[in-house]
Amino acid sequence: AQKITQTQPGMFVQEKEAVTLDCTYDTSDQSYGLFWYKQPSSGEMIFLIYQGSYDEQNATEGRYSLNFQKARKSANLVISASQLGDSAMYFCAMGTGTYKYIFGTGTRLKVLA
Amino acid sequence: NAGVTQTPKFRILKIGQSMTLQCTQDMNHNYMYWYRQDPGMGLKLIYYSVGAGITDKGEVPNGYNVSRSTTEDFPLRLELAAPSQTSVYFCASSYTYGDRSGNTIYFGEGSWLTVV
Repeated sequence: AQKITQTQPGMFVQEKEAVTLDCTYDTSDQSYGLFWYKQPSSGEMIFLIYQGSYDEQNATEGRYSLNFQKARKSANLVISASQLGDSAMYFCAMGTGTYKYIFGTGTRLKVLA
Repeated sequence: NAGVTQTPKFRILKIGQSMTLQCTQDMNHNYMYWYRQDPGMGLKLIYYSVGAGITDKGEVPNGYNVSRSTTEDFPLRLELAAPSQTSVYFCASSYTYGDRSGNTIYFGEGSWLTVV
């Protein structure tokens, strides 16, 4: 069965520090994509970063990077130099060769001043 | 730079009323989706469409209907609203499947629906 697991319901990080949000996945498909989305308190879903299963290098987008460990089936999001505006809910998601995107239950990040 | 636009943003319905959530995208995406997000939960797929004239059920389709007459539009109809349908609804679209390089599912801003 295809599944995304985010085991951290809530996280705190000090401003300017780095934080890692965990995501593990389960699929028998060889081709899949992994996504991270940010949902601030205003509610919209903002795309952050994408990693393809065949991509050999970890994806990076500005302060966001994805630590992709295929053998361990993990796709952790690393946010460097946290800012107060990073406080939000973060969702990990997986897309496969079908219509279905699987979403995790999310991690709520609070950045402390 | 519209992307995915959904309306209304907020709506209060009485039990038994019906309404339509509108969704339109200007990215020429083939695939469109409706999700609901209950408090503290992830997203659950209600319906999806792989192109104009083609729709299919997701995980939680009961109480909803959709249509896809054009590539751009994918309205969601709630018939006989029930309190269990109180949720945040997201319309989304993607060019193709999520395993393809760079393919991303883009979301509208969400519609907050309360059934009382």
